[in-house]
Amino acid sequence: NAGVMQNPRHLVRRRGQEARLRCSPMKGHSHVYWYRQLPEEGLKFMVYLQKENIIDESGMPKERFSAEFPKEGPSILRIQQVVRGDSAAYFCASSPLVGEQYFGPGTRLTVT
Amino acid sequence: GQNIDQPTEMTATEGAIVQINCTYQTSGFNGLFWYQQHAGEAPTFLSYNVLDGLEEKGRFSSFLSRSKGYSYLLLKELQMKDSASYLCAGVSMIKAAGNKLTFGGGTRVLVKP
Repeated sequence: NAGVMQNPRHLVRRRGQEARLRCSPMKGHSHVYWYRQLPEEGLKFMVYLQKENIIDESGMPKERFSAEFPKEGPSILRIQQVVRGDSAAYFCASSPLVGEQYFGPGTRLTVT
Repeated sequence: GQNIDQPTEMTATEGAIVQINCTYQTSGFNGLFWYQQHAGEAPTFLSYNVLDGLEEKGRFSSFLSRSKGYSYLLLKELQMKDSASYLCAGVSMIKAAGNKLTFGGGTRVLVKP
């Protein structure tokens, strides 16, 4: 049973470009969470999604950030017009209805 | 807000025991997770406490007191590979479905020979 998969593992973008981060949850998991980890800091919750629904996006910046989890395919975290402050590790986690969240390897975004 | 507080850094000797404390506000959380995170890697699950008391799993144990808003992670017989960050995370239900984790800043443990 493959774990949570994220790609790309490393992403470099220039200021103003768009970044697309993908997450495929573990088989059988319908709940996806996105977290951001700034250098030397803890993980911060961004958004929680189920298939085709955003359940809680209280941790998402109001502008430039969006997330989706379509019926088919991976969950996507999209950051438009990236700025240097967006440089961070973005982790996706998945879970069954309740219980442990399993984390993916993360995408390290660097904005130059 | 729902703050999770844990020490920033701890140092211990190989073979010793280290206890990492975590305090949180008593309202809003339904349980507590502990994760281990090596530098540059994803967090990996260590333990989940939803009831008061001690949960033991091999060299690692975790304790929770909900009334005091207090948890600790106990690492016994420390090995060099245990050098990592240990993350305490409070769990809150989201609209009666799914769990949202609120993480502390993590405790970096350095194991010395």
